[in-house]
Amino acid sequence: DAKTTQPPSMDCAEGRAANLPCNHSTISGNEYVYWYRQIHSQGPQYIIHGLKNNETNEMASLIITEDRKSSTLILPHATLRDTAVYYCIVDQTGANNLFFGTGTRLTVIP
Amino acid sequence: KAGVTQTPRYLIKTRGQQVTLSCSPISGHRSVSWYQQTPGQGLQFLFEYFSETQRNKGNFPGRFSGRQFSNSRSEMNVSTLELGDSALYLCASRAGLSSYEQYFGPGTRLTVT
Repeated sequence: DAKTTQPPSMDCAEGRAANLPCNHSTISGNEYVYWYRQIHSQGPQYIIHGLKNNETNEMASLIITEDRKSSTLILPHATLRDTAVYYCIVDQTGANNLFFGTGTRLTVIP
Repeated sequence: KAGVTQTPRYLIKTRGQQVTLSCSPISGHRSVSWYQQTPGQGLQFLFEYFSETQRNKGNFPGRFSGRQFSNSRSEMNVSTLELGDSALYLCASRAGLSSYEQYFGPGTRLTVT
């Protein structure tokens, strides 16, 4: 079921940009890339999604390579509250059966 | 706008018992999905309801069931509880079937002894 590959853990210094990579080499043309995060003991939180173009919102930026086989989530100025498990998911439009995988545990260090 | 709410937040049950968990979606959202999260298996999709109809179902035994009411509130039931059912049960809502974003509740922590 795993359509994405993410590093199990990463550290980032507070105030610096956090760049979280994701490989999705088997992505289909109609599949979107979604990012969610889960802070300890809370439900997952939607961050951003994209199809082909780079996307930016108030939380993060999503950079998708031209061949769509990989992407990077960028948190421009990481804070301690960004410490969480980040999940990269590929799925079709409107699909709800999200496969979360194991994600990347990001630790923001003071 | 209030977020997704789940009740109860914590629950302890004994093997063989049954349990019902409740989820109230964000106002106006008509789709409700349920997920199970365990340390070993991670987050796994259980089922989705839309307009009181089950739209999609994950790979769980028939002991896991759910329903949705006309006000979009949803309940999940697990019968004949097993120790392995101990988990965090998460509910998520979205506005419609073509909505990209799912909004998750805080979850119900179920412990089976």
